[in-house]
Amino acid sequence: NAGVTQTPKFQVLKTGQSMTLQCAQDMNHNSMYWYRQDPGMGLRLIYYSASEGTTDKGEVPNGYNVSRLNKREFSLRLESAAPSQTSVYFCASSDGAIPNRNYNEQFFGPGTRLTVL
Amino acid sequence: EDKVVQSPLSLVVHEGDTVTLNCSYEVTNFRSLLWYKQEKKAPTFLFMLTSSGIEKKSGRLSSILDKKELFSILNITATQTGDSAVYLCAALLLIQGAQKLVFGQGTRLTINP
Repeated sequence: NAGVTQTPKFQVLKTGQSMTLQCAQDMNHNSMYWYRQDPGMGLRLIYYSASEGTTDKGEVPNGYNVSRLNKREFSLRLESAAPSQTSVYFCASSDGAIPNRNYNEQFFGPGTRLTVL
Repeated sequence: EDKVVQSPLSLVVHEGDTVTLNCSYEVTNFRSLLWYKQEKKAPTFLFMLTSSGIEKKSGRLSSILDKKELFSILNITATQTGDSAVYLCAALLLIQGAQKLVFGQGTRLTINP
């Protein structure tokens, strides 16, 4: 049971290049999330998928696209990378909103450190 | 706009000291307030508080939520060097069936021996 896995761990891009960050979870969770964390800041939500087949924008979606490929996998794509997208990217998953339950803990992956030159 | 603010942003103390970390929030559709500890990598869950005035305790860590004044505090007593980390608070919102977290900037806590 690996939990939430992310690939790659590190990536360096040049401005204008594209890439896809991969995330997979093996906990049969319904909801998945992508966050970015910049130095001195907390995590900011980029996109989320409440359930398979749906995706929605978070706080900072500009410059990103996502795909919920299936229940396990949720990818984040940068079509034309910019230096402002240099950050650490975390994927997370949870059971989502279940009636009569307050909170379904979000489990985080180990992160991808992305540098855009 | 949903906002979570933590203070101080950075704190350096000696081992054995007691520290208090602050978190205030202004959000809509609030459900709960969560505290996370982040060392080198991903955040790890510490507490969730939903009702006002409820104090959660786990060993040397405790936390209180005040839903009237919209803030929470995290206390750590008898600090150890292993407590050095970034502590994040987050407001849990329930929006259109999805649970979303809005994080504060974090407090970087350094415990010196």
